[in-house]
Amino acid sequence: NAGVTQTPKFRILKIGQSMTLQCTQDMNHNYMYWYRQDPGMGLKLIYYSVGAGITDKGEVPNGYNVSRSTTEDFPLRLELAAPSQTSVYFCASSPHERQTYGYTFGSGTRLTVV
Amino acid sequence: DQQVKQNSPSLSVQEGRISILNCDYTNSMFDYFLWYKKYPAEGPTFLISISSIKDKNEDGRFTVFLNKSAKHLSLHIVPSQPGDSAVYFCAASRLDTGGFKTIFGAGTRLFVKA
Repeated sequence: NAGVTQTPKFRILKIGQSMTLQCTQDMNHNYMYWYRQDPGMGLKLIYYSVGAGITDKGEVPNGYNVSRSTTEDFPLRLELAAPSQTSVYFCASSPHERQTYGYTFGSGTRLTVV
Repeated sequence: DQQVKQNSPSLSVQEGRISILNCDYTNSMFDYFLWYKKYPAEGPTFLISISSIKDKNEDGRFTVFLNKSAKHLSLHIVPSQPGDSAVYFCAASRLDTGGFKTIFGAGTRLFVKA
């Protein structure tokens, strides 16, 4: 059981470049989330999805886009990368909207924009 | 607007002793609280949770205490083990327009010395 898989683990982007962070879960969870973690800060919600075809903005959505064409996949797209997007990105999933037993997180993608 | 605060960035404890990690929140509408544990290069993993209708929840060596009047929760680890060395995040959840909203604290790094 792989859980939540994120790729790549590390990436360096130049300012203005674009990339897609991949996230796949094999637990048939309806709810999926993208968070970013900056040094000394808590996790901030970027986007979330309550099921295939349904996505919505979180606290810090600017500069990002998402799609959810299948239950398993929830990619995060960065267009025109900026230094402010240097962060560690975590994808998470949950079977319920209320995280009664917590989210299942991926191992993260460390992104540096130079 | 830090609704969930973990005021101690780090904590050092001797093996076998008690570790107490603290978390304060400002919004009385939060009704569910969670603790996550994070090792380097891994995603956070769910540790323990508590509903606002309770003041204590125990799971093995881990106990979470909730003081609603003080808007304070704490995680006790007894006895502490070197493998407990990690970053611990508290999170608070409430029902908001559009669904449940979860806010994470910035984390406390626990060092357990052998």
